[in-house]
Amino acid sequence: AQTVTQSQPEMSVQEAETVTLSCTYDTSESNYYLFWYKQPPSRQMILVIRQEAYKQQNATENRFSVNFQKAAKSFSLKISDSQLGDTAMYFCAFMKHAVGGGADGLTFGKGTHLIIQP
Amino acid sequence: DSGVTQTPKHLITATGQRVTLRCSPRSGDLSVYWYQQSLDQGLQFLIQYYNGEERAKGNILERFSAQQFPDLHSELNLSSLELGDSALYFCASSVGGTSGSRGDTQYFGPGTRLTVL
Repeated sequence: AQTVTQSQPEMSVQEAETVTLSCTYDTSESNYYLFWYKQPPSRQMILVIRQEAYKQQNATENRFSVNFQKAAKSFSLKISDSQLGDTAMYFCAFMKHAVGGGADGLTFGKGTHLIIQP
Repeated sequence: DSGVTQTPKHLITATGQRVTLRCSPRSGDLSVYWYQQSLDQGLQFLIQYYNGEERAKGNILERFSAQQFPDLHSELNLSSLELGDSALYFCASSVGGTSGSRGDTQYFGPGTRLTVL
């Protein structure tokens, strides 16, 4: 079974600053995917960024980027030029490669509550 | 808007009752997933269906069951409800195609808030 650990229950930064959220995972799988989801006060789960484990290049999506260290089983999220709208719970998630194709259930960490201060 | 719809938005019921939650996936998606989010357990994967067939099972209780219909919508049935079943229930969908493609990404619906009194 996989486990995902987010060691920062809450973080607070000033608007326009850069912030990094930590995530580590434990798995015996060699093929898998990693995700960051955002959950604002509306409770909607919104995909932020995705990383395939077989890709060495770190994923980026506009102001969001990851630092994927496969050997260390670490997958941190960096948010640059943080904005008030980035205030949300951020969940790191793991998905193993499903045998026979298709996807599998996500294993989530407990989340980090990120607060962007004006 | 993810394109995944869930009904109802809110549901209030009593212990011992049975409820049905409904989910319609994004157009073109063949896989549907159900998740439970509670204060105690966090976000937990319950079950996955792919094109009408059960594909993967997570921490789903025996009192809970699901199915996916020919039009690909899915229903999650919760029976003999207990206070601890109060939670936000999410449905997610993905294309469910060849692993390694962008089709593996899951998109979430807005959730159904279940309150058991």
